[in-house]
Amino acid sequence: QQQVKQSPQSLIVQKGGISIINCAYENTAFDYFPWYQQFPGKGPALLIAIRPDVSEKKEGRFTISFNKSAKQFSLHIMDSQPGDSATYFCAAPNDYKLSFGAGTTVTVRA
Amino acid sequence: DTGVSQNPRHKITKRGQNVTFRCDPISEHNRLYWYRQTLGQGPEFLTYFQNEAQLEKSRLLSDRFSAERPKGSFSTLEIQRTEQGDSAMYLCASSLRQGFSSGANVLTFGAGSRLTVL
Repeated sequence: QQQVKQSPQSLIVQKGGISIINCAYENTAFDYFPWYQQFPGKGPALLIAIRPDVSEKKEGRFTISFNKSAKQFSLHIMDSQPGDSATYFCAAPNDYKLSFGAGTTVTVRA
Repeated sequence: DTGVSQNPRHKITKRGQNVTFRCDPISEHNRLYWYRQTLGQGPEFLTYFQNEAQLEKSRLLSDRFSAERPKGSFSTLEIQRTEQGDSAMYLCASSLRQGFSSGANVLTFGAGSRLTVL
């Protein structure tokens, strides 16, 4: 089984600030490590994903940093906007499925 | 819209009743997943289909739960003799994967079916 630990549980950031969410996984995997974004009443939507042989991936204001030796990866949201207020989940590959972290609720204050 | 469709979106039932949820995946996707999500938690894996074959079931899936995917198209998740602890959001996801070398196993989720057991 693949256990995923995500922190913090919640965070508040001012508009324009940086949000950082951390995840740790247990078992080495060779598939992609994704982050999902979920708004209230909606299903999770893929935000960004990284291959384990890459240390960083950037898409717009979202960046994943991956530390394979430490079995950790993090999501950085640069220039946070009120529309980024949502719950973010990291996930790790677990055979043919994904194991999810418990989520981080991000609130961006204008 | 060619996304993952789930019905009904909301279901309120009394304890002991049976409920059934339906998921229509993205048409070309060969993999279909059911997850359960409770308030403040991440999605928890329940079961997984590749085409019509149910390949894995979580120990979270008690005998009261059954899932099918006839002909490898839509899927149903039935809960018999519902209990209050079954109250949750039931999420369906699908993906297209032809091997680890062919790219990310990207799961596309539906909006979920919220179950409330009174």
